[in-house]
Amino acid sequence: AQSVTQLGSHVSVSEGALVLLRCNYSSSVPPYLFWYVQYPNQGLQLLLKYTTGATLVKGINGFEAEFKKSETSFHLTKPSAHMSDAAEYFCAVSDGNQFYFGTGTSLTVIP
Amino acid sequence: GAGVSQSPSNKVTEKGKDVELRCDPISGHTALYWYRQSLGQGLEFLIYFQGNSAPDKSGLPSDRFSAERTGGSVSTLTIQRTQQEDSAVYLCASSLEGGGNYEQYFGPGTRLTVT
Repeated sequence: AQSVTQLGSHVSVSEGALVLLRCNYSSSVPPYLFWYVQYPNQGLQLLLKYTTGATLVKGINGFEAEFKKSETSFHLTKPSAHMSDAAEYFCAVSDGNQFYFGTGTSLTVIP
Repeated sequence: GAGVSQSPSNKVTEKGKDVELRCDPISGHTALYWYRQSLGQGLEFLIYFQGNSAPDKSGLPSDRFSAERTGGSVSTLTIQRTQQEDSAVYLCASSLEGGGNYEQYFGPGTRLTVT
């Protein structure tokens, strides 16, 4: 079975500071990796995904993530936080059938 | 085009009653997923439909939970004899195909409260 671990259920950063949300996964097969964002009272929407190819993946709103197979990690970063980035972020892995989600990281941006 | 829709948006029911939650996926999407999101928890996989194949029911927590997908489109999640621990947000997602490398599009969810 696959699993996803998101370190830090709550992360606070100052506006303009680096955002780093951590995600580690376990997978017995080459995984498909995803980051989703959930804004308050809204559904989840895809930020970015890794399937094959380049290990540095760029997504919407200036976010990017790097697939590091040796570390089984897929951390999400953004160079400069904006107030509008405050949301819940979910990392997910798929083995080609089911999707497995982490417990989420709530990002607070301090003005 | 239209996204994934779910109804009702909120449902309050008494313990022991049955509830039905509806999901309308994006037209043409062959894969449909149901998840449960409890406070402070991640998304818990419940069931997965792919085309005409038998659904993957491995995530259903008990035999009180069932789901069907009629005509490869609309899906209904039924919870019988609801319990307080069933209170959660139930999310539906669809994707063009299954297989894990296609983006899932999520509906807004149904918030179920069992009193």
